[in-house]
Amino acid sequence: AQSVTQLGSHVSVSEGALVLLRCNYSSSVPPYLFWYVQYPNQGLQLLLKYTSAATLVKGINGFEAEFKKSETSFHLTKPSAHMSDAAEYFCAVLGNQFYFGTGTSLTVIP
Amino acid sequence: GAGVSQSPRYKVAKRGQDVALRCDPISGHVSLFWYQQALGQGPEFLTYFQNEAQLDKSGLPSDRFFAERPEGSVSTLKIQRTQQEDSAVYLCASSLGAGLDEQYFGPGTRLTVT
Repeated sequence: AQSVTQLGSHVSVSEGALVLLRCNYSSSVPPYLFWYVQYPNQGLQLLLKYTSAATLVKGINGFEAEFKKSETSFHLTKPSAHMSDAAEYFCAVLGNQFYFGTGTSLTVIP
Repeated sequence: GAGVSQSPRYKVAKRGQDVALRCDPISGHVSLFWYQQALGQGPEFLTYFQNEAQLDKSGLPSDRFFAERPEGSVSTLKIQRTQQEDSAVYLCASSLGAGLDEQYFGPGTRLTVT
């Protein structure tokens, strides 16, 4: 069975600071992992995905994530937060369907 | 290129009423998914279509929930005799292929049952 756990339902960072959103996965097979972003009253938008190629995955809007098998993690990072990054972020693992985490709400403080 | 659209965007129903939620996927997308997103939670899988065939409905919470995609494009999620616990955002997503690859999400329908 596959699942993901997102640590921290709310994260606040100052504008220009590092963004780190944590995701740990559980999978009995090599996982396909995804990060999605959801802006208020909008659908989910794909940020990036890991499909067993390079372990460091670069996505849109300056985000990237590193797959670490030893830690069963797929944390999302961005070197410098922008106000426009404020949104809900979801990690997901692909099994026979998509399994989403409970989300992390990112607040960017000016 | 239009994305996935859903209608209505907001729906208020009295308990016991039936509702129908519509999803227009991206043209040519083979796969279509429905998710339920409760407040403060991630999306939870409801059902999956490949063209007109409903291949997985394991996530439908009860027999009051029914989904169809008769011509392999537009899909409708119907909820009969709505209950308060049905209040949620219902998300539709489509993907190009028959496999489970990148999904494109619509804006969702927020259902409130009073």
